[in-house]
Amino acid sequence: DAKTTQPTSMDCAEGRAANLPCNHSTISGNEYVYWYRQIHSQGPQYIIHGLKNNETNEMASLIITEDRKSSTLILPHATLRDTAVYYCIVRVADSGYALNFGKGTSLLVTP
Amino acid sequence: GAGVSQTPSNKVTEKGKYVELRCDPISGHTALYWYRQSLGQGPEFLIYFQGTGAADDSGLPNDRFFAVRPEGSVSTLKIQRTERGDSAVYLCASSLGTSGRNEQFFGPGTRLTVL
Repeated sequence: DAKTTQPTSMDCAEGRAANLPCNHSTISGNEYVYWYRQIHSQGPQYIIHGLKNNETNEMASLIITEDRKSSTLILPHATLRDTAVYYCIVRVADSGYALNFGKGTSLLVTP
Repeated sequence: GAGVSQTPSNKVTEKGKYVELRCDPISGHTALYWYRQSLGQGPEFLIYFQGTGAADDSGLPNDRFFAVRPEGSVSTLKIQRTERGDSAVYLCASSLGTSGRNEQFFGPGTRLTVL
């Protein structure tokens, strides 16, 4: 799987949009961008994934650049409960592939 | 509905002892994964089952680690002759096992402490 690079930590004020960047310059054509998050003392939780087009669900939006070498996860109105470690993972979508988590970005949402 | 469950939630053992960690996946999920997470690190892959068979065990650190899934549902991770370096949170995940979204659902983990 392609390697990803994320900032170690970020802060965001409650109610504001949190924009979490991820670089994946060696991504292959059949690899998707997945985002998971891990709240303290819990297992990781799936957020969203995409291939080329921007994606949105009830949790977040995913913006992928046209060259697919980077992406941004957007939490439109961050709450204190969004404080977590966010992992950007690049991998083939077919079943059977393990997730390569890396160290992720520790997001702190402040009051 | 019930999510992935793991037992025990915490396990303290002494160096050299044998431990078993259990994972109950979501009903109907054919794929099951084990990961290990050390303090301050992201989860690291250990082994993946598709049905009853281990499809990929490349993440197991050595032959002290072994996992089974005899009926294609519950899985047990077994660690022999535990060492202090085995202390970590052991996470289990399951997925439907089909192509496409293939979201992995994680359990809360078992925190293993080897004294």
